[in-house]
Amino acid sequence: GEDVEQSLFLSVREGDSSVINCTYTDSSSTYLYWYKQEPGAGLQLLTYIFSNMDMKQDQRLTVLLNKKDKHLSLRIADTQTGDSAIYFCAESPGTASKLTFGTGTRLQVTL
Amino acid sequence: DVKVTQSSRYLVKRTGEKVFLECVQDMDHENMFWYRQDPGLGLRLIYFSYDVKMKEKGDIPEGYSVSREKKERFSLILESASTNQTSMYLCASSPAGGVYTDTQYFGPGTRLTVL
Repeated sequence: GEDVEQSLFLSVREGDSSVINCTYTDSSSTYLYWYKQEPGAGLQLLTYIFSNMDMKQDQRLTVLLNKKDKHLSLRIADTQTGDSAIYFCAESPGTASKLTFGTGTRLQVTL
Repeated sequence: DVKVTQSSRYLVKRTGEKVFLECVQDMDHENMFWYRQDPGLGLRLIYFSYDVKMKEKGDIPEGYSVSREKKERFSLILESASTNQTSMYLCASSPAGGVYTDTQYFGPGTRLTVL
């Protein structure tokens, strides 16, 4: 079956850039997503990218997709303490509405 | 804004009890999902539903059942709760069809503890 992997933890200093990485196995993935979960809350959609794109930028967020290596990354520029959260990547083949989520990366922002 | 609500934020139950977790969405979405979230395991899909009275098993359906009698409401049922079902339960919904088919909107979660 599909598998999505992420590292569990990342610590960065306030003001630095954060890069959260994700690898997936399903070559039929059509949409790839990044979700953010703040403490005690549900998941909130941050951004998504179609598999025919290799980059998408949205304010401080940059998503890079290497389809050949099945590697997705989320870069957060000028990381703030409010960015501390768990970040999940997810993939979908685009036909069944089912998402496969990664394990989540906990981002800790230090002063 | 899409709103997905869950009946309880925190719930404590005893082993063997029947537990109902309720989820309601207000955006007329066709698809609804139940996940459980455990540290280091991410989100795992328990059950989902594409329409009223329809249900499909996800990756870990054992020990759970679901009910969808109305489009806006999707219930998760633990017939006989066990301690290994202690977890965070997340409900989500998504519209059917179109570019945003797979964009799921999540509720705040219910943290269930089974003693």
